[in-house]
Amino acid sequence: DAGVIQSPRHEVTEMGQEVTLRCKPISGHNSLFWYRQTMMRGLELLIYFNNNVPIDDSGMPEDRFSAKMPNASFSTLKIQPSEPRDSAVYFCASSLMLAETQYFGPGTRLLVL
Amino acid sequence: AQKVTQAQTEISVVEKEDVTLDCVYETRDTTYYLFWYKQPPSGELVFLIRRNSFDEQNEISGRYSWNFQKSTSSFNFTITASQVVDSAVYFCALSENNQGGKLIFGQGTELSVKP
Repeated sequence: DAGVIQSPRHEVTEMGQEVTLRCKPISGHNSLFWYRQTMMRGLELLIYFNNNVPIDDSGMPEDRFSAKMPNASFSTLKIQPSEPRDSAVYFCASSLMLAETQYFGPGTRLLVL
Repeated sequence: AQKVTQAQTEISVVEKEDVTLDCVYETRDTTYYLFWYKQPPSGELVFLIRRNSFDEQNEISGRYSWNFQKSTSSFNFTITASQVVDSAVYFCALSENNQGGKLIFGQGTELSVKP
């Protein structure tokens, strides 16, 4: 079975550009989570969805960040405009339902110059 | 407030040694879940174990074992006869039942196993 799929795996962009990260959860999973990993802050939850509906976006750092889940098999995390401090690894995870085990994608390593 | 503390930032052992990674958590919820994830140098996060707050039985899986003690709010992870392939960053995480599955991660322990 395919795990969580994320694209791109690496992204290098310049400050001010729009960045879109993509995630395909495990088929049949109803909950999807976006996390960010940095050296300073560790792993932190940005937003999560249940049945395609955003439940908690309190971790989204600023209005420059937005996330959507138009259907059960696709989600995007967008940063517009990007800033150097957004450089991090962004992970997407999915679970069968809330509070169940989350399985992580390989991550997207973002570098904003 | 919920919190996970992994006091050991880095541990270095020689192959075949046993090693224990500590995890202490804080929560006010009576129903919660504890996890361990492994992050090898390649960067992915690999699920190792999930434990709910009502199950304090220790678990063993091959060379891995976990000791859950509610009295001390600890969920420690032991690797027996460590191998070089065990070198990774290990994260302990907490999820509270009333928080919808949100994972709170510790800062991680970087384990280095030398041949």
